[in-house]
Amino acid sequence: GESVGLHLPTLSVQEGDNSIINCAYSNSASDYFIWYKQESGKGPQFIIDIRSNMDKRQGQRVTVLLNKTVKHLSLQIAATQPGDSAVYFCAIRGGNQFYFGTGTSLTVIP
Amino acid sequence: GAVVSQHPSWVICKSGTSVKIECRSLDFQATTMFWYRQFPKQSLMLMATSNEGSKATYEQGVEKDKFLINHASLTLSTLTVTSAHPEDSSFYICSARDQGAHSGNTIYFGEGSWLTVV
Repeated sequence: GESVGLHLPTLSVQEGDNSIINCAYSNSASDYFIWYKQESGKGPQFIIDIRSNMDKRQGQRVTVLLNKTVKHLSLQIAATQPGDSAVYFCAIRGGNQFYFGTGTSLTVIP
Repeated sequence: GAVVSQHPSWVICKSGTSVKIECRSLDFQATTMFWYRQFPKQSLMLMATSNEGSKATYEQGVEKDKFLINHASLTLSTLTVTSAHPEDSSFYICSARDQGAHSGNTIYFGEGSWLTVV
């Protein structure tokens, strides 16, 4: 089976600082990884994805890093803004199944 | 990007009545959709996997006779909460898997539906 865990259930950062949210997985055959953002009372939104043949992928203010050696995935948010406050969780595909992390609640302090 | 729409966004119903929630993939076909339940400040809890043209697969502990799922087309799945009780009040979310050639099997979520049973 797959286990997906988040290192920090809550994270508080100062506005303007960078945020790093982590995800660990156990299945070395996992080949596709997604980060979602869920604001309070709303459904999760797709942020960025990465495939196992890549180590890094950048979007607008977000970067996803994949370290397959240690089975670790991270989401970096640059210049964190109050609107970034939300729960972030990873989804990892292993075989035909997706497994979801429990989520990290990010709070941005103005 | 791909869009998944849920309707209604929120609903209040009387105890004992049934409520139907719709999940639609708007710009892609989804042979597989998923239904989740979420309590405040908790993670998503998968209830069932909805497969187009066949019976849904329910997670352990989820009553299939209470939470009826129908996936009659490639763009629509419905969840019906039958004989609703106050303890069924929750945030229900669906997701759909985009299995198109260039999609990478990405999963997109609906906006969620708030159910309050009074």
